[in-house]
Amino acid sequence: KQEVTQIPAALSVPEGENLVLNCSFTDSAIYNLQWFRQDPGKGLTSLLLIQSSQREQTSGRLNASLDKSSGRSTLYIAASQPGDSATYLCAALNSGGYQKVTFGTGTKLQVIP
Amino acid sequence: EADIYQTPRYLVIGTGKKITLECSQTMGHDKMYWYQQDPGMELHLIHYSYGVNSTEKGDLSSESTVSRIRTEHFPLTLESARPSHTSQYLCASRAWGKGTDGYTFGSGTRLTVV
Repeated sequence: KQEVTQIPAALSVPEGENLVLNCSFTDSAIYNLQWFRQDPGKGLTSLLLIQSSQREQTSGRLNASLDKSSGRSTLYIAASQPGDSATYLCAALNSGGYQKVTFGTGTKLQVIP
Repeated sequence: EADIYQTPRYLVIGTGKKITLECSQTMGHDKMYWYQQDPGMELHLIHYSYGVNSTEKGDLSSESTVSRIRTEHFPLTLESARPSHTSQYLCASRAWGKGTDGYTFGSGTRLTVV
């Protein structure tokens, strides 16, 4: 059974800092890994999708990497802004007929002005 | 613009009422999902569908039911709402394929049963 863990559970940083969010998964047989942000009381907004054959994806100040062999993905946020404050979730989509997705436990980020 | 829409955004309703939460997507996705999420907690899959006339229960037992008569529409119904149904309900969709596409989520419906 796939287990996805995100560390730390909460993070508070001053504005302008670069930061890394971690996502670990136990089963490396994945099709892709997707990073989302969720604002309080809202739905999930997709940030980046990394296919199993890819090593990283970039969008603006965000960079996500994937290392299947070690069961890890990281989300790097450059020059953090108060608007980046949200909960960040990673989700691993397992290969196989059912293609089950497993969501991580989330990292709640607060960027202090 | 291709997207996924949920209505209503917020709903406060009395115990015993029947409610339907709407979810529609304009992306032509075959796969659709309903998740339940309490504040600050993880998402729980309660229903999913792989296409028209296909519906399955998810990992978390739910008293709700779903239907998939049209590809773009995946409504969730509670026949008799109870306070224990108070939660946020998130609808999502994904294209059929070998995992090349990610999930798209709606904005959610926050349900309060009083």
